[in-house]
Amino acid sequence: NAGVMQNPRHLVRRRGQEARLRCSPMKGHSHVYWYRQLPEEGLKFMVYLQKENIIDESGMPKERFSAEFPKEGPSILRIQQVVRGDSAAYFCASTTGTRETQYFGPGTRLLVL
Amino acid sequence: AQSVTQLDSQVPVFEEAPVELRCNYSSSVSVYLFWYVQYPNQGLQLLLKYLSGSTLVKGINGFEAEFNKSQTSFHLRKPSVHISDTAEYFCAVQNNAGNMLTFGGGTRLMVKP
Repeated sequence: NAGVMQNPRHLVRRRGQEARLRCSPMKGHSHVYWYRQLPEEGLKFMVYLQKENIIDESGMPKERFSAEFPKEGPSILRIQQVVRGDSAAYFCASTTGTRETQYFGPGTRLLVL
Repeated sequence: AQSVTQLDSQVPVFEEAPVELRCNYSSSVSVYLFWYVQYPNQGLQLLLKYLSGSTLVKGINGFEAEFNKSQTSFHLRKPSVHISDTAEYFCAVQNNAGNMLTFGGGTRLMVKP
């Protein structure tokens, strides 16, 4: 029973490039959550998606960041024109529904040079 | 709005000693409470959770936590720690809508031989 999968595990980008982070939820899970962990800090909620719908994006920066969870395939967190401050670990979690326990992936560690 | 405070950023302790990691939360509504552990360069693993019922919750790896509504606390305890318990521990609350977790800043447990 595979857990939450994220790839790549490590991603290096230069300022101004785009970063695409992928998350495949656990089998049977249709709800995905993205969190960001800045160095030496706790995780901060970014966005909550169900298949083909963004339910809550209250934690997403207003510019350059977007997320999707298509009918087929993984959820994608996209960061356009990355800046050094985007360097962080990005985690996704999945559940079978709201108010269920969130299970986390191993994270993608983004480094912007 | 919810918030979580982990009072200790680091807790050094000798192997086989007891440990308590403190967590206080604030919320105007009833919440679900969680403790997660993060080993270096890995994702978050669920240790235990409080949803309802008995205020003493037992988790994996010998950890337990007690929900105290009057003190709005959910402290994590282990009677005898091992070197392998060295990790970052995060306390989190889930909001009433169930669409996000709010994390504390984390407590780094350092077990010394």
